[in-house]
Amino acid sequence: NAGVTQTPKFQVLKTGQSMTLQCAQDMNHNSMYWYRQDPGMGLRLIYYSASEGTTDKGEVPNGYNVSRLNKREFSLRLESAAPSQTSVYFCASSEDRFATNEKLFFGSGTQLSVL
Amino acid sequence: GDSVTQMEGPVTLSEEAFLTINCTYTATGYPSLFWYVQYPGEGLQLLLKATKADDKGSNKGFEATYRKETTSFHLEKGSVQVSDSAVYFCALRESGANSKLTFGKGITLSVRP
Repeated sequence: NAGVTQTPKFQVLKTGQSMTLQCAQDMNHNSMYWYRQDPGMGLRLIYYSASEGTTDKGEVPNGYNVSRLNKREFSLRLESAAPSQTSVYFCASSEDRFATNEKLFFGSGTQLSVL
Repeated sequence: GDSVTQMEGPVTLSEEAFLTINCTYTATGYPSLFWYVQYPGEGLQLLLKATKADDKGSNKGFEATYRKETTSFHLEKGSVQVSDSAVYFCALRESGANSKLTFGKGITLSVRP
């Protein structure tokens, strides 16, 4: 019962470095999402993918890029990390084809620190 | 725009105490309302939901009633357990094809034996 798997769990970057957060789901879900969680801010949607081959911006997309590699995998890339991107990142998936299903399944998160 | 406001935390209770976590919302239409829970070291998971006014969502002994007149969706449990220690998020989703979930800030609940 893997569900949604994110790697890595922890990462420390220096300002300007790049990295890719990986996410994979084994539930045959159509829609996938990336959120960030900041203290006192709740979860904010960065990007989402309603189906394989499509991606769309969420609430806070600046400084990020995504790739829906196939139906299972959805990666988030920081091209030039900034301290403002220090956060906990969550990947999620849902069964529906339009990224509107409220029943999201979340990974356990990646804690990213940018120094 | 849409927003969800949760009471300030953290909340610490003794086992078997009564729990209320307040949540109010602002929305332009007729949203669906949700509670998500995040146990330590895990991702969020859906706890319960309600899709229209006066609906009551329930799961694992938790309940919340969609109150349109007070724009609230407070979470309650009659007798909390240590295993209920977690972060609780209230969320809403407006009706409409492109609407996404809007989350509150979350509140940490700690239950001591």
